[in-house]
Amino acid sequence: EAGVTQSPTHLIKTRGQQVTLRCSPISGHTSVYWYQQALGLGLQFLLWYDEGEERNRGNFPPRFSGRQFPNYSSELNVNALELEDSALYLCASSPGLAVYNEQFFGPGTRLTVL
Amino acid sequence: ILNVEQSPQSLHVQEGDSTNFTCSFPSSNFYALHWYRWETAKSPEALFVMTLNGDEKKKGRISATLNTKEGYSYLYIKGSQPEDSATYLCAFISDGNNRLAFGKGNQVVVIP
Repeated sequence: EAGVTQSPTHLIKTRGQQVTLRCSPISGHTSVYWYQQALGLGLQFLLWYDEGEERNRGNFPPRFSGRQFPNYSSELNVNALELEDSALYLCASSPGLAVYNEQFFGPGTRLTVL
Repeated sequence: ILNVEQSPQSLHVQEGDSTNFTCSFPSSNFYALHWYRWETAKSPEALFVMTLNGDEKKKGRISATLNTKEGYSYLYIKGSQPEDSATYLCAFISDGNNRLAFGKGNQVVVIP
């Protein structure tokens, strides 16, 4: 069974640009989560999508947004990139609520903003 | 903001020795605690999902306990092996919003 996949693996952008990161969950998983790990910080919750709807978002500005498609894959969009957006972005999926279900993580996208 | 603290931040362990570390979280409105192992150049991998006070879970040489009343969980590694070298993350859910709050992790290096 294929795991969670993410693309691209690495990305370099400049300040002010926009970026789109992609995630495909494990087959059968309806929930997709996005996390950011900036240098020196722990994983920070960004967004949770389930059944095509945004269910919850973390303490990030509105320029972080995303969506989930009918096939449950997801995109994370970051507009007006800032230097501090440089981070590892991880996507995870789960078959149900995280209260009872482990999350399965993808390999991440390393974003560098110059 | 949920404060999840993990200690010690990093530790070196001799191969064959046992070790343990702590995850502390707010004790009010507890829903669940997750433990993940994150090896370098790999993705975080789930170890345990714990929901009940007094829970004890085991996977091979790794085990975890949970005390929701005092707000802590211990992770134990028995007879550490080099392949146990990783960062161990705990994550806490405080309510039904399905949102994991992660600690910064316990970085373990097992010395052969």
